[in-house]
Amino acid sequence: DAGITQSPRHKVTETGTPVTLRCHQTENHRYMYWYRQDPGHGLRLIHYSYGVKDTDKGEVSDGYSVSRSKTEDFLLTLESATSSQTSVYFCAITGATTEAFFGQGTRLTVV
Amino acid sequence: KNQVEQSPQSLIILEGKNCTLQCNYTVSPFSNLRWYKQDTGRGPVSLTIMTFSENTKSNGRYTATLDADTKQSSLHITASQLSDSASYICVANSGANNLFFGTGTRLTVIP
Repeated sequence: DAGITQSPRHKVTETGTPVTLRCHQTENHRYMYWYRQDPGHGLRLIHYSYGVKDTDKGEVSDGYSVSRSKTEDFLLTLESATSSQTSVYFCAITGATTEAFFGQGTRLTVV
Repeated sequence: KNQVEQSPQSLIILEGKNCTLQCNYTVSPFSNLRWYKQDTGRGPVSLTIMTFSENTKSNGRYTATLDADTKQSSLHITASQLSDSASYICVANSGANNLFFGTGTRLTVIP
């Protein structure tokens, strides 16, 4: 899948605990994105990065933070998980073209 | 407001039949439009890309059309196969990797 991997693939966590999801790419692409996908909403942008240490908010960024210390890694952190953050999370990358390559997704359940 | 709307939300067709999925977008500025296929449990994968100057583009049994004047696109699937069962997502790009996703059409092909 275009050299992009997400970990973990599945996670169950308790309300109030911190959670970090990892996205790793081997394509050396500049842009990396985190989306969440919920029924009836499609893919919604949480945060994105346009370079190392360069990040910006998307439309649903509340409750999430990100970090990008290396080109290949983009981390998404839920500081204090809530049930409303139960979702499937996708990481994506784009390069010179505007085609987005997606990871396999992480299914997160907050109980 | 930049947005992408797709119809129908879901569709069931018999194997071998044709179908057409619709996408209306109000994205400005407009750079290009892609159709993605998302199999259950996987990330979306690009099928076609169209810029404002292109009217039709084919990828095997998939044919996408674009009318930049009416801001409408369609994805036509010919001679459907069981493996076509998936969600199809329309994505409009307003440039600088600014992507707007539709909520998708869930297609089910039955034998």
